[in-house]
Amino acid sequence: GESVGLHLPTLSVQEGDNSIINCAYSNSASDYFIWYKQESGKGPQFIIDIRSNMDKRQGQRVTVLLNKTVKHLSLQIAATQPGDSAVYFCAENDPTGRRALTFGSGTRLQVQP
Amino acid sequence: DAGVIQSPRHEVTEMGQEVTLRCKPISGHNSLFWYRQTMMRGLELLIYFNNNVPIDDSGMPEDRFSAKMPNASFSTLKIQPSEPRDSAVYFCASSFSNGEKLFFGSGTQLSVL
Repeated sequence: GESVGLHLPTLSVQEGDNSIINCAYSNSASDYFIWYKQESGKGPQFIIDIRSNMDKRQGQRVTVLLNKTVKHLSLQIAATQPGDSAVYFCAENDPTGRRALTFGSGTRLQVQP
Repeated sequence: DAGVIQSPRHEVTEMGQEVTLRCKPISGHNSLFWYRQTMMRGLELLIYFNNNVPIDDSGMPEDRFSAKMPNASFSTLKIQPSEPRDSAVYFCASSFSNGEKLFFGSGTQLSVL
């Protein structure tokens, strides 16, 4: 995932625009990836997941793209709404099963009305 | 289902005191995870259990931290003695045995003065 830092990268978009949040993962052997949304004062909430045998997966207003060549994951949110404002985390699995999901440091999405 | 239930929601204590955090996973889930979240380090896995057995505790900071899962519906994370640097939000999560889609609780906000 992203390197840990003192502050979260922030993406600011206008309501109604599309948002793209990016994530670089670290383990080329990882075969399962997941996106979470965390609103202030709450626990992370599942959004969408994807396995490494897929390049793209769509949900309701969200799409996850996986590029295994460059170890890159992205989350696209269509017609972004104020309720989408949150911190978004990507996570990758450990294919050996010995460790749990490893989370990136997150991206803050701010939706301007 | 009520989801993963954590208690207390907030805990304020003085340095040196013992702190016990509690978690009730989702019924039917076989895996339970304890994560710690800080601004500096993001979401860090502390320990996870599969079928009540600790599988990976390499994330437990030091001997002051201990975790137990006496049965499938309850787990505790204990810090003794607590220190100010333990201040963080502690999340419990559960999943089916494959440890993929984790469901998080609302977290315990711990402040050690």
